[in-house]
This record gives sequence, structure tokens and C-alpha cells, in this order.
Amino acid sequence: QKEVEQNSGPLSVPEGAIASLNCTYSDRVSQSFFWYRQYSGKSPELIMSIYSNGDKEDGRFTAQLNKASQYVSLLIRDSQPSDSATYLCAVNGFFGNEKLTFGTGTRLTIIP
Amino acid sequence: KAGVTQTPRYLIKTRGQQVTLSCSPISGHRSVSWYQQTPGQGLQFLFEYFSETQRNKGNFPGRFSGRQFSNSRSEMNVSTLELGDSALYLCASSLAPQTNGEQFFGPGTRLTVL
Repeated sequence: QKEVEQNSGPLSVPEGAIASLNCTYSDRVSQSFFWYRQYSGKSPELIMSIYSNGDKEDGRFTAQLNKASQYVSLLIRDSQPSDSATYLCAVNGFFGNEKLTFGTGTRLTIIP
Repeated sequence: KAGVTQTPRYLIKTRGQQVTLSCSPISGHRSVSWYQQTPGQGLQFLFEYFSETQRNKGNFPGRFSGRQFSNSRSEMNVSTLELGDSALYLCASSLAPQTNGEQFFGPGTRLTVL
């Protein structure tokens, strides 16, 4: 079992709709969770971080964390063509043994 | 504030050769991590350095090594190159290991092994 799993997609979403990206992780002691966005030919960039159970909203982005289910998700509201990219879920280890592990990413395409 | 820089941006080598890649982190960032990215495997962690010490290492053979200097700049070396080493090598910096989830990536070095 991979440490961090994501549906590789591609995920196609109409412009203006909500895009939902999912991620599961295997290490129960993981402490912090991140979403990175990577445009084709570019480097990953951090877009969201979440540390406690529940929802965290930042503009059109909402990250959701459920540690009991070992599940983290990213919702993108009012999807725009500029949101078309690969989204990488990353999970950090426990305090004192921080090691960021990435999923293989979900490719998202917003259809105008 | 300048971002993470990596040199060179592109490299072409032949099997058996060795290569050294360089990374300069954002000013004030003391933690540097290296990743290998390939279409099939995604982003694979190589190692992380903090205060000139390797803190974590991924599951790569000993041909892959790195170091960090007192100014936080880091280098990684790959010896006896194999065709499978062709990849994008990314360096990322963060303030400290405890904040290494919030990493800033450089543009990468594209290595092609022929």
C-alpha cells in the first residue's frame, strides 16, 4: 500500500463547477497535510495546509481533514480554466521525524 | 526576496558518468530537500538537510548523495549514472524541518542520461 494515495485522474470539471480532489494516507501518526499545485512544466507550489480535523477555507479553496478516516480532500469552488493543473497531496510525519511524502497527483482539467 | 535557484537547468550525461546538482535556498531558509520527479513514479523524496546534517533519506541507492554547506546551499551528486536516473530533480527549501511541509520549490534540473 502506498503511503499517500490519490486518484491519478484525469478529472474533468466544467468551468464554474466544484472540483473535488481526494487523498488517503496510511500513517496514523501523520501530523500535517498539504496541497500543492503543479502546472505543466513548472514546479509544485503550496496552495493549502491543514493541521486539524475539519475544514479550512482560503478563497475558492477548501481543505478538509478527517484523521480518523485518514482522509484529506481539496475542494475548488467556481472552477476556472487556470485551475487546470496536477494537484499533489503531501503528508508530513510526526514531530521530530518530519518527512514530507507526496502522492502521485491528480490531473485536473477545467472545461470552458 | 529571491526564490530557490537550481543550477544547471538542463544536463545531458552518458551512462557511467557522475553529476553534481546545486541548489540555493531562499534567504533565511535552513532546510533543503531534494526530490526526483518522473512521469511514472511522481515526486520521490531523496534526502533532507538541515544545519549541514542529513536528517532524512529516501529509498534511493547509495549512488545518490548530498551535502549542505554552512550558508545552507546544497548539492546532490549521482555517481555511475544509469538510464533510469533520467528525471527532473527538484530542490525545495523551508525555514526549518518542523515547517518542511511548507516548502518552496526551485525550477528543477532536467537530467537526461543517454
